[in-house]
Amino acid sequence: DSGVTQTPKHLITATGQRVTLRCSPRSGDLSVYWYQQSLDQGLQFLIQYYNGEERAKGNILERFSAQQFPDLHSELNLSSLELGDSALYFCASSLLAGDTDTQYFGPGTRLTVL
Amino acid sequence: AQKVTQAQTEISVVEKEDVTLDCVYETRDTTYYLFWYKQPPSGELVFLIRRNSFDEQNEISGRYSWNFQKSTSSFNFTITASQVVDSAVYFCALAPGGSQGNLIFGKGTKLSVKP
Repeated sequence: DSGVTQTPKHLITATGQRVTLRCSPRSGDLSVYWYQQSLDQGLQFLIQYYNGEERAKGNILERFSAQQFPDLHSELNLSSLELGDSALYFCASSLLAGDTDTQYFGPGTRLTVL
Repeated sequence: AQKVTQAQTEISVVEKEDVTLDCVYETRDTTYYLFWYKQPPSGELVFLIRRNSFDEQNEISGRYSWNFQKSTSSFNFTITASQVVDSAVYFCALAPGGSQGNLIFGKGTKLSVKP
């Protein structure tokens, strides 16, 4: 158990809908990262937050947004969902923000868009 | 360009065989970190090892060992005396130098260990 929690574990929804994925980092970690794992794209970095502020952006679609709250939990919002958004979404956390830190991953949220 | 290549898509071995998973990376940074993660059938990503670009010493942890060679930009992972529980997808990842920690993953190698 990495100490990173993600809810829900599974999510099934329809095209055009909006969902929110939630992540709680390990105790003491200030950085939260979101990754998407799909069969065709593999594991791709979406976005990073550090102590409430956006730190880095990867291949995140404009329909997707995220935020990190004062208690350091993070939410990833996915809107106008398409079939291609079906994937496993991982949250990871690390103590600080840089390349020196190990990222510990949560169990993931499996999103199915029908 | 920053890139990680795991050329072996799938490997199948019989229990107790040794197996090496290859990882080749590309980066122009002089400081960077390399990682290996394991994704068992249950789906979670489990951290195995982190190595910085200035430390080329090989590392051994039980049946696991890692060989980092800067000259060939490779960070290979060997499992000795494989077991069925080692069956998983293994990912190599690169954290480029700097204050951003996002990981660049390879496509992964699926290892099947048969009894």
